[in-house]
Amino acid sequence: GQQVMQIPQYQHVQEGEDFTTYCNSSTTLSNIQWYKQRPGGHPVFLIQLVKSGEVKKQKRLTFQFGEAKKNSSLHITATQTTDVGTYFCAGAGANNLFFGTGTRLTVIP
Amino acid sequence: DGGITQSPKYLFRKEGQNVTLSCEQNLNHDAMYWYRQDPGQGLRLIYYSQIVNDFQKGDIAEGYSVSREKKESFPLTVTSAQKNPTAFYLCASSVLAGSYEQYFGPGTRLTVT
Repeated sequence: GQQVMQIPQYQHVQEGEDFTTYCNSSTTLSNIQWYKQRPGGHPVFLIQLVKSGEVKKQKRLTFQFGEAKKNSSLHITATQTTDVGTYFCAGAGANNLFFGTGTRLTVIP
Repeated sequence: DGGITQSPKYLFRKEGQNVTLSCEQNLNHDAMYWYRQDPGQGLRLIYYSQIVNDFQKGDIAEGYSVSREKKESFPLTVTSAQKNPTAFYLCASSVLAGSYEQYFGPGTRLTVT
């Protein structure tokens, strides 16, 4: 079946450092989505990437979709304590999304 | 105030009992989903429904059952056949099934002892 792998599983950074999480699919994706789940909360949609090689920015967050549409990354510049949480990528299937295992980000003040 | 509601936030049950988790949405979405989340793992799909009176099994449907009698409601029953029912359960909806943004409810944390 379709699988989406995400690395790293955990990341601890000092406040102000950068952070990147990577997502890889075994198959070509029609699109990829990113979600953020704060501790004790529920996933919240961040963005969707559709085109090959697409790059989108949201303030300090940069999202990329690979040329082959099999991988994606989320990069946060100069992390803040408000960035803590688990970041999930999700690849689109025919009728649902396939979620990665998530990267749990801890920001040390 | 539109959104997805799940109740209760915390639920405790004895082993061997069936339990039903509620999920209601007022977003007029056709598709609804149930996920299970365990520590250190991602979201695993239990069941999904593309439209009223229709639903399909996800990756881990064994020991669970659902119904979709109304567009707004998609309750999940955790049966006594589910070997490890203690988990965080999340309900979600999207305008249509497939590659659309999913909106999540606040979740129900089920503990079975």
